[in-house]
Amino acid sequence: DAGVIQSPRHEVTEMGQEVTLRCKPISGHNSLFWYRQTMMRGLELLIYFNNNVPIDDSGMPEDRFSAKMPNASFSTLKIQPSEPRDSAVYFCASSPLGTSTDTQYFGPGTRLTVL
Amino acid sequence: AQSVTQPDIHITVSEGASLELRCNYSYGATPYLFWYVQSPGQGLQLLLKYFSGDTLVQGIKGFEAEFKRSQSSFNLRKPSVHWSDAAEYFCAVGAGFQKLVFGTGTRLLVSP
Repeated sequence: DAGVIQSPRHEVTEMGQEVTLRCKPISGHNSLFWYRQTMMRGLELLIYFNNNVPIDDSGMPEDRFSAKMPNASFSTLKIQPSEPRDSAVYFCASSPLGTSTDTQYFGPGTRLTVL
Repeated sequence: AQSVTQPDIHITVSEGASLELRCNYSYGATPYLFWYVQSPGQGLQLLLKYFSGDTLVQGIKGFEAEFKRSQSSFNLRKPSVHWSDAAEYFCAVGAGFQKLVFGTGTRLLVSP
Protein backbone atom coordinates (compact mmCIF):
# COMPACT_ATOMS: atom_id res chain seq x y z
CA ASP A 1 0.00 0.00 0.00
CA ALA A 2 1.25 3.47 -0.84
CA GLY A 3 0.16 4.98 2.44
CA VAL A 4 -1.47 8.37 2.80
CA ILE A 5 -0.48 10.64 -0.07
CA GLN A 6 -0.31 14.40 0.27
CA SER A 7 0.41 17.03 -2.32
CA PRO A 8 2.18 19.28 -2.71
CA ARG A 9 4.97 18.47 -0.27
CA HIS A 10 6.04 22.10 -0.15
CA GLU A 11 4.09 25.22 -0.98
CA VAL A 12 5.32 28.80 -0.92
CA THR A 13 2.78 31.49 -1.59
CA GLU A 14 2.15 35.14 -0.96
CA MET A 15 -0.26 36.58 1.54
CA GLY A 16 -3.77 36.82 0.14
CA GLN A 17 -3.42 33.92 -2.28
CA GLU A 18 -5.60 30.84 -2.20
CA VAL A 19 -3.90 27.62 -1.14
CA THR A 20 -5.26 24.12 -1.70
CA LEU A 21 -3.74 21.10 -0.01
CA ARG A 22 -4.66 17.62 -1.20
CA CYS A 23 -4.84 14.24 0.45
CA LYS A 24 -5.47 10.71 -0.74
CA PRO A 25 -6.19 8.39 2.22
CA ILE A 26 -5.33 4.72 2.36
CA SER A 27 -7.83 2.73 0.34
CA GLY A 28 -10.60 1.27 2.47
CA HIS A 29 -10.10 3.62 5.40
CA ASN A 30 -13.27 5.14 6.79
CA SER A 31 -11.94 8.23 8.53
CA LEU A 32 -9.76 11.14 7.47
CA PHE A 33 -8.14 13.78 9.63
CA TRP A 34 -6.45 17.12 8.92
CA TYR A 35 -3.84 18.36 11.42
CA ARG A 36 -1.65 21.45 11.61
CA GLN A 37 1.77 21.42 13.28
CA THR A 38 3.58 24.56 14.40
CA MET A 39 6.35 25.21 16.87
CA MET A 40 4.11 27.40 18.98
CA ARG A 41 0.95 25.29 19.11
CA GLY A 42 2.20 21.78 18.44
CA LEU A 43 -0.05 19.33 16.61
CA GLU A 44 -3.67 20.44 16.36
CA LEU A 45 -6.62 18.61 14.87
CA LEU A 46 -8.41 20.87 12.42
CA ILE A 47 -11.22 18.66 11.14
CA TYR A 48 -12.09 15.04 10.63
CA PHE A 49 -14.41 13.09 8.36
CA ASN A 50 -16.10 9.75 8.79
CA ASN A 51 -17.42 8.08 5.62
CA ASN A 52 -16.82 11.37 3.77
CA VAL A 53 -18.99 13.36 6.20
CA PRO A 54 -17.41 16.10 8.35
CA ILE A 55 -17.87 15.09 11.98
CA ASP A 56 -16.01 17.76 13.91
CA ASP A 57 -14.59 20.98 12.50
CA SER A 58 -14.20 22.76 15.82
CA GLY A 59 -10.47 22.98 15.27
CA MET A 60 -10.71 24.96 12.06
CA PRO A 61 -9.21 28.30 13.02
CA GLU A 62 -11.53 30.60 11.10
CA ASP A 63 -13.68 30.98 8.03
CA ARG A 64 -10.67 31.30 5.80
CA PHE A 65 -10.19 27.56 6.20
CA SER A 66 -12.45 25.01 4.54
CA ALA A 67 -12.19 21.26 3.94
CA LYS A 68 -14.02 18.91 1.66
CA MET A 69 -14.13 15.20 1.04
CA PRO A 70 -16.08 14.62 -2.19
CA ASN A 71 -15.36 10.90 -2.20
CA ALA A 72 -13.63 8.21 -0.18
CA SER A 73 -10.31 8.65 -1.94
CA PHE A 74 -9.78 12.41 -1.92
CA SER A 75 -9.88 15.39 0.41
CA THR A 76 -8.83 19.01 0.19
CA LEU A 77 -7.99 21.68 2.72
CA LYS A 78 -8.31 25.18 1.35
CA ILE A 79 -7.11 28.45 2.81
CA GLN A 80 -8.48 31.62 1.24
CA PRO A 81 -7.04 34.16 1.67
CA SER A 82 -3.81 32.89 3.16
CA GLU A 83 -1.90 34.79 5.85
CA PRO A 84 1.69 34.49 7.14
CA ARG A 85 0.42 32.99 10.42
CA ASP A 86 -0.94 30.04 8.42
CA SER A 87 2.64 28.91 7.79
CA ALA A 88 2.90 25.41 9.21
CA VAL A 89 3.13 21.76 8.30
CA TYR A 90 -0.26 20.32 7.47
CA PHE A 91 -0.77 16.60 7.92
CA CYS A 92 -3.48 14.36 6.63
CA ALA A 93 -4.15 11.04 8.37
CA SER A 94 -6.58 8.21 7.81
CA SER A 95 -7.83 5.35 9.96
CA PRO A 96 -9.47 2.09 8.92
CA LEU A 97 -12.29 1.48 11.36
CA GLY A 98 -13.34 4.86 12.64
CA THR A 99 -13.16 3.85 16.29
CA SER A 100 -11.60 5.58 19.27
CA THR A 101 -8.82 3.03 19.58
CA ASP A 102 -8.00 2.98 15.90
CA THR A 103 -4.53 3.69 14.60
CA GLN A 104 -4.18 6.82 12.55
CA TYR A 105 -1.83 6.63 9.56
CA PHE A 106 -0.18 9.92 8.73
CA GLY A 107 0.95 11.28 5.41
CA PRO A 108 4.33 13.00 5.01
CA GLY A 109 2.81 16.45 5.36
CA THR A 110 2.71 19.64 3.33
CA ARG A 111 5.03 22.41 4.47
CA LEU A 112 3.25 25.70 3.78
CA THR A 113 5.06 29.01 3.81
CA VAL A 114 3.03 32.19 3.37
CA LEU A 115 5.17 35.25 2.69
CA ALA B 1 -10.90 18.79 29.06
CA GLN B 2 -8.48 16.12 28.02
CA SER B 3 -4.81 17.07 28.01
CA VAL B 4 -1.40 15.53 27.71
CA THR B 5 1.82 16.79 29.27
CA GLN B 6 5.25 15.80 28.08
CA PRO B 7 7.54 17.60 30.52
CA ASP B 8 10.79 17.05 28.63
CA ILE B 9 11.27 19.09 25.47
CA HIS B 10 14.66 17.53 24.66
CA ILE B 11 16.42 14.44 25.93
CA THR B 12 19.90 13.27 25.00
CA VAL B 13 20.80 9.62 25.50
CA SER B 14 23.97 7.77 24.66
CA GLU B 15 23.64 5.00 22.13
CA GLY B 16 23.08 1.72 23.94
CA ALA B 17 21.72 3.38 27.07
CA SER B 18 18.17 2.97 28.31
CA LEU B 19 15.47 5.50 27.59
CA GLU B 20 12.35 6.69 29.38
CA LEU B 21 10.11 9.43 28.00
CA ARG B 22 7.49 10.82 30.33
CA CYS B 23 3.84 11.40 29.58
CA ASN B 24 1.09 12.51 31.95
CA TYR B 25 -2.52 12.79 30.92
CA SER B 26 -5.70 14.31 32.21
CA TYR B 27 -8.90 12.47 31.34
CA GLY B 28 -12.07 11.74 33.27
CA ALA B 29 -12.66 8.15 32.21
CA THR B 30 -10.45 5.24 31.21
CA PRO B 31 -8.17 6.79 28.63
CA TYR B 32 -7.05 5.53 25.29
CA LEU B 33 -3.32 6.31 25.14
CA PHE B 34 -0.93 6.35 22.23
CA TRP B 35 2.73 6.97 21.48
CA TYR B 36 3.69 8.17 18.02
CA VAL B 37 7.14 8.86 16.57
CA GLN B 38 8.01 11.47 13.96
CA SER B 39 11.26 11.21 12.06
CA PRO B 40 12.60 14.39 10.44
CA GLY B 41 10.55 15.44 7.44
CA GLN B 42 8.04 12.66 7.87
CA GLY B 43 4.60 12.05 9.26
CA LEU B 44 3.82 10.38 12.55
CA GLN B 45 3.96 6.63 12.98
CA LEU B 46 2.26 4.68 15.75
CA LEU B 47 4.63 2.98 18.20
CA LEU B 48 2.04 1.49 20.55
CA LYS B 49 -1.31 2.07 22.17
CA TYR B 50 -3.22 1.15 25.30
CA PHE B 51 -6.94 0.96 25.86
CA SER B 52 -7.49 -1.97 28.22
CA GLY B 53 -5.94 -5.12 29.65
CA ASP B 54 -2.29 -5.53 30.52
CA THR B 55 -0.87 -2.21 31.63
CA LEU B 56 2.52 -2.95 30.07
CA VAL B 57 2.20 -2.55 26.32
CA GLN B 58 4.73 -3.70 23.75
CA GLY B 59 5.20 -1.78 20.55
CA ILE B 60 7.29 -1.71 17.44
CA LYS B 61 11.05 -1.07 17.29
CA GLY B 62 11.58 -2.52 20.79
CA PHE B 63 9.56 0.15 22.62
CA GLU B 64 7.22 -0.47 25.53
CA ALA B 65 5.03 1.72 27.71
CA GLU B 66 3.40 1.25 31.07
CA PHE B 67 0.02 2.67 32.01
CA LYS B 68 -0.16 3.75 35.66
CA ARG B 69 -3.60 4.97 36.55
CA SER B 70 -2.56 6.13 40.03
CA GLN B 71 0.03 8.45 38.52
CA SER B 72 -1.93 9.35 35.37
CA SER B 73 1.15 8.39 33.41
CA PHE B 74 2.01 6.45 30.29
CA ASN B 75 5.79 6.54 30.05
CA LEU B 76 7.62 5.17 27.04
CA ARG B 77 10.73 3.03 27.55
CA LYS B 78 13.39 1.27 25.54
CA PRO B 79 16.20 -0.76 27.14
CA SER B 80 18.88 0.09 24.58
CA VAL B 81 18.69 3.08 22.26
CA HIS B 82 19.97 2.99 18.69
CA TRP B 83 21.10 6.02 16.69
CA SER B 84 18.11 5.50 14.39
CA ASP B 85 15.78 6.20 17.33
CA ALA B 86 16.62 9.91 17.16
CA ALA B 87 13.27 11.54 16.41
CA GLU B 88 10.43 13.39 18.04
CA TYR B 89 8.03 11.39 20.20
CA PHE B 90 4.42 12.32 20.84
CA CYS B 91 2.10 11.02 23.50
CA ALA B 92 -1.62 11.31 22.77
CA VAL B 93 -4.89 10.63 24.55
CA GLY B 94 -8.14 9.70 22.89
CA ALA B 95 -10.54 12.57 23.49
CA GLY B 96 -13.89 11.24 22.49
CA PHE B 97 -14.90 9.59 19.26
CA GLN B 98 -11.75 9.26 17.19
CA LYS B 99 -10.23 12.54 18.35
CA LEU B 100 -6.67 12.57 19.63
CA VAL B 101 -5.11 15.25 21.80
CA PHE B 102 -1.36 15.28 21.39
CA GLY B 103 1.33 16.39 23.78
CA THR B 104 3.93 18.92 22.69
CA GLY B 105 6.48 16.23 21.94
CA THR B 106 9.91 15.23 23.21
CA ARG B 107 12.86 15.42 20.87
CA LEU B 108 15.29 12.55 21.40
CA LEU B 109 18.94 13.06 20.53
CA VAL B 110 21.24 10.05 20.51
CA SER B 111 24.93 10.64 21.16
CA PRO B 112 27.61 8.22 19.98
